[in-house]
Amino acid sequence: KQEVTQIPAALSVPEGENLVLNCSFTDSAIYNLQWFRQDPGKGLTSLLLIQSSQREQTSGRLNASLDKSSGRSTLYIAASQPGDSATYLCAGGGFQGAQKLVFGQGTRLTINP
Amino acid sequence: NAGVTQTPKFQVLKTGQSMTLQCAQDMNHNSMYWYRQDPGMGLRLIYYSASEGTTDKGEVPNGYNVSRLNKREFSLRLESAAPSQTSVYFCASKFSPLAGFTGELFFGEGSRLTVL
Repeated sequence: KQEVTQIPAALSVPEGENLVLNCSFTDSAIYNLQWFRQDPGKGLTSLLLIQSSQREQTSGRLNASLDKSSGRSTLYIAASQPGDSATYLCAGGGFQGAQKLVFGQGTRLTINP
Repeated sequence: NAGVTQTPKFQVLKTGQSMTLQCAQDMNHNSMYWYRQDPGMGLRLIYYSASEGTTDKGEVPNGYNVSRLNKREFSLRLESAAPSQTSVYFCASKFSPLAGFTGELFFGEGSRLTVL
């Protein structure tokens, strides 16, 4: 069974800091890795999608990397703001050719003003 | 620009009642999914439909049925609701045209179901 793990479960940092969220997966044969943001009581919003042939993707202050050989992905957030406070989830897709994604439990991020 | 639309947003049921959650997407995606999200359990896949005319079980299919009505619509039915089915349900869709390639997954806003 493929597993996706996110550590830590919660993280609190002061505003302005650069930070890294971690995601690890057990099967390196994935097709893609997707990062999501979820605000309380809301649905999941896609942030970045990295295909297996790519090493990283960038959108604004966000940068996500993928290292299949080590089974890791990281989401880098530059110059954090209070509005970045949310739960961040990663999901690996295409394990063993399947169409479904396997989700991590998420990291709850709090940016303190 | 609707994306993935779920109805209803909130529902309260009594044990044993039935209901259907509706989902529609306007992005011409071929794959659609139903997840449930529970505290401490994360997101768990109930059923999915890789393309129109096909459905497959996910991680937690017991107590649910699905129908892929057409390319746009994918419904989830609870035939006899139980308190254990109290949860937030999410529908999602993506474009998956080729083996070995999957597109970005888009989610609806969720349907919050309480079974008394």
